[in-house]
Amino acid sequence: SYELTQPPSVSVSPGQTARITCSGDALPRQYAHWYQHKPGQAPVIVIHKDTERPSGIPERFSGSTSGTTVTLTIRGIQAEDAADYYCLSADSSGTSQVFGGGTRLTVL
Amino acid sequence: EVQLLESGGGLVQPGGSLRLSCAASGFTFSAYAMSWVRQAPGKGLEWVSSIGSDSTAFYTDSVKGRFTSSRDNSNNTLFLRMNSLRAEDTALYFCVKSSVTGDPIPFDYWGQGTLVTVSS
Repeated sequence: SYELTQPPSVSVSPGQTARITCSGDALPRQYAHWYQHKPGQAPVIVIHKDTERPSGIPERFSGSTSGTTVTLTIRGIQAEDAADYYCLSADSSGTSQVFGGGTRLTVL
Repeated sequence: EVQLLESGGGLVQPGGSLRLSCAASGFTFSAYAMSWVRQAPGKGLEWVSSIGSDSTAFYTDSVKGRFTSSRDNSNNTLFLRMNSLRAEDTALYFCVKSSVTGDPIPFDYWGQGTLVTVSS
């Protein structure tokens, strides 16, 4: 079955830049979307269609893509950005959706 | 205001069955694909199933043949019938709405979740 691979954890200091990667063979053909998930809350989409930022999401969140890897970049990290981040995409057929394993972002 | 309200979770023995329901409101339910996503204790998010507006459904490999998604567009309700439940199905199950018509992802609205515990 199709898999998306993320690093389990990323740690950054306030004001620094965090980069979270997501790798998968179908990513050149399928959009990736990024979710921020805090305990006890519903996940929030922070990037959709690889690079688009939904309204209401701070400009410090951005997405990029290169081959089989997509990257979520968060600039000027703030304490409130601490959360689990998941990429979401589909397999080549588009019939199976899959989340990456999730990356826990720790703000030091 | 979009609302998704799940129900039907609970404690069930291995091999047992449950039916989850999701009552939707605040949008044209029939126009959007709907999905189920679960999160096992201490684990990440896992896509379980999506069902299109035409009721065509797809499933993750681990639930194929055991789970069935269905929808009642007249009553704006999504269902997940779960048979032959296993311990590894224990999770918080979320009902989620697609943000666009015609595609199952991305998701824009999530319910609060209903807990399914499979244990003897």
